[in-house]
Amino acid sequence: KNQVEQSPQSLIILEGKNCTLQCNYTVSPFSNLRWYKQDTGRGPVSLTIMTFSENTKSNGRYTATLDADTKQSSLHITASQLSDSASYICVVRTNYGGSQGNLIFGKGTKLSVKP
Amino acid sequence: GAGVSQSPSNKVTEKGKDVELRCDPISGHTALYWYRQSLGQGLEFLIYFQGNSAPDKSGLPSDRFSAERTGGSVSTLTIQRTQQEDSAVYLCASSLGFGSGQSSYNEQFFGPGTRLTVL
Repeated sequence: KNQVEQSPQSLIILEGKNCTLQCNYTVSPFSNLRWYKQDTGRGPVSLTIMTFSENTKSNGRYTATLDADTKQSSLHITASQLSDSASYICVVRTNYGGSQGNLIFGKGTKLSVKP
Repeated sequence: GAGVSQSPSNKVTEKGKDVELRCDPISGHTALYWYRQSLGQGLEFLIYFQGNSAPDKSGLPSDRFSAERTGGSVSTLTIQRTQQEDSAVYLCASSLGFGSGQSSYNEQFFGPGTRLTVL
């Protein structure tokens, strides 16, 4: 069964600290993996996309990694800011299966950055 | 428009009433998705439209839920005889389409959502 598991479920850190969010998946065949950021009261916004051949990709203070062998991805946030407080959602796409638009969503990690 | 828009932004209704939620996708996007997000929960897939293909309705929780997409653009999600457990934020997303070799095709752009409260 295609599944995406994220951890931790929630996380509280102090402003300026780094943190890493995890995403493990059992989706097959794998097409790509996206990390979305969802601010409270808003729709998710794409941060980065990882394809099979990519190991690391950065977007400002956000760095995503992908290990296609172990089917794990991480999102590292450097020097956190208060505006990083949000839910971070991992979404994996498969090329086959046809259901749900071939997109499997994780439940998200809720990050709270405190001053 | 510049992005996906949804209306209304908030809807309060009484149990048993019907509601219609509207989604205006980004112009030119052939794929449209509806999701439901209960408080503190992840996104729950409801329905997916791709071009002129038959929609994937596998996520609709009951026959009280239906959706249509007219002219390949605007979509309406209808909930009949609303129940209190239908209270949630309903999110719509659109994407360019479906190209396995082009990752940009499947980036979803989400609307701000409609917050539905059933009293």
